[in-house]
Amino acid sequence: EIVLTQSPGTLSLSPGERVILSCRASQSVSNKYLAWYQQKPGQAPRLVIYGASSRATGIPERFSGSGSGTDFTLIISRLEPEDSAVYSCQQYGSSPWTFGQGTKVEIK
Amino acid sequence: QITLKESGPTLVKSTQTLTLTCTVSGFSLDTRGVGVAWIRQPPGKALEWLALVYWDDDQRYSPSLDGRLTITKDTSKNQVVLTMTNMDPVDTATFYCAHRGPYGGNFFDHWGQGILVTVSS
Repeated sequence: EIVLTQSPGTLSLSPGERVILSCRASQSVSNKYLAWYQQKPGQAPRLVIYGASSRATGIPERFSGSGSGTDFTLIISRLEPEDSAVYSCQQYGSSPWTFGQGTKVEIK
Repeated sequence: QITLKESGPTLVKSTQTLTLTCTVSGFSLDTRGVGVAWIRQPPGKALEWLALVYWDDDQRYSPSLDGRLTITKDTSKNQVVLTMTNMDPVDTATFYCAHRGPYGGNFFDHWGQGILVTVSS
């Protein structure tokens, strides 16, 4: 089973700042099969990125993903107040499909 | 548009069997490539994938649940059912069903609102 470790645990930044979230896998994730989800309190997760770098439908261009192998990154180029949420990564390169523990992004 | 909605008991007792239903709309469960998964999230904790059923009735399960899970679909009713046996208080969680799109990859592009299931001892 691939274990995903996200860092940092919590990030507190001001609007307009650049956000960099990390997701590290215990083994190589095949075919860049890595997704990112955004989850706000009391809501279901929302797909943000799939295939490591493809934005899901309706996701603003300020969200971008990159990486391969064991290291993946989600970047929010300019933080907006509505981006406050927990962001979780998921690998789907090998079963069982696993999620990271999440990074909480707070707005100062 | 694609929607999914979970239904079932919100409170079960220890050792009981949990049965949850996901009712879907906006897509067909037998469209090639489509799947529906169940994913849970204990309060304040990470998401955990449980099971997935594909359009062709192929089923996949998390090995960590050790044979406690069964997932089935009823295309005529637009429903996917998850049963989980021998429930324990540690199984208290919000259970989500989610859509796996037909364009490849076991990621989930639409989610239900979730149902919080509490297991009492």
